[in-house]
Amino acid sequence: EPEVTQTPSHQVTQMGQEVILRCVPISNHLYFYWYRQILGQKVEFLVSFYNNEISEKSEIFDDQFSVERPDGSNFTLKIRSTKLEDSAMYFCASKPSEQDIMNTEAFFGQGTRLTVV
Amino acid sequence: AQKITQTQPGMFVQEKEAVTLDCTYDTSDPSYGLFWYKQPSSGEMIFLIYQGSYDQQNATEGRYSLNFQKARKSANLVISASQLGDSAMYFCAMREIGWNQGGKLIFGQGTELSVKP
Repeated sequence: EPEVTQTPSHQVTQMGQEVILRCVPISNHLYFYWYRQILGQKVEFLVSFYNNEISEKSEIFDDQFSVERPDGSNFTLKIRSTKLEDSAMYFCASKPSEQDIMNTEAFFGQGTRLTVV
Repeated sequence: AQKITQTQPGMFVQEKEAVTLDCTYDTSDPSYGLFWYKQPSSGEMIFLIYQGSYDQQNATEGRYSLNFQKARKSANLVISASQLGDSAMYFCAMREIGWNQGGKLIFGQGTELSVKP
């Protein structure tokens, strides 16, 4: 069964460093998402990406964040200068066609646990 | 404004019994979808069940059913015949259709379910 793949599964970084979280969505999917879950809290939407551009972003997704789909298969989230409060589980998700926008679940990757020290 | 509310931070259920996890939502959009995800201790997000706002019947998927009460804006998850493997965090989520949006999911705070042998 096709799945969303995220790498790495766990990353530790120094405060102020840049990190890139990588995701390979399911191949025929058109919508891509990043979500964040701070330990013990709810899952929060960061950004959605469709047709090679951001379709929506949350207040969390400030200038320190960026997303890219560099080669048609990978979907990356970059945090330019990490802060302690960026420590969280980051989930990538993808969804198939526009016709199914309402009733199709987003398929989530297994997550990348980012720890900023 | 918070749009998805799960009022039960934690629930206990005896193995083989049924359990209901509560979820209420708020939206002014007539078209929306409601989802339940399971998050075991390993961290991944597993899709369980979907209910559309126009669906006439309550959704069912195996041991999972969704008690959808539109007028009360509630979408409770019912798990029948609980198993030890059902112990996990459960998240209710909503998708609004908004055509200028990419179909993001808005999550509740989650309910931690513990199944007792």
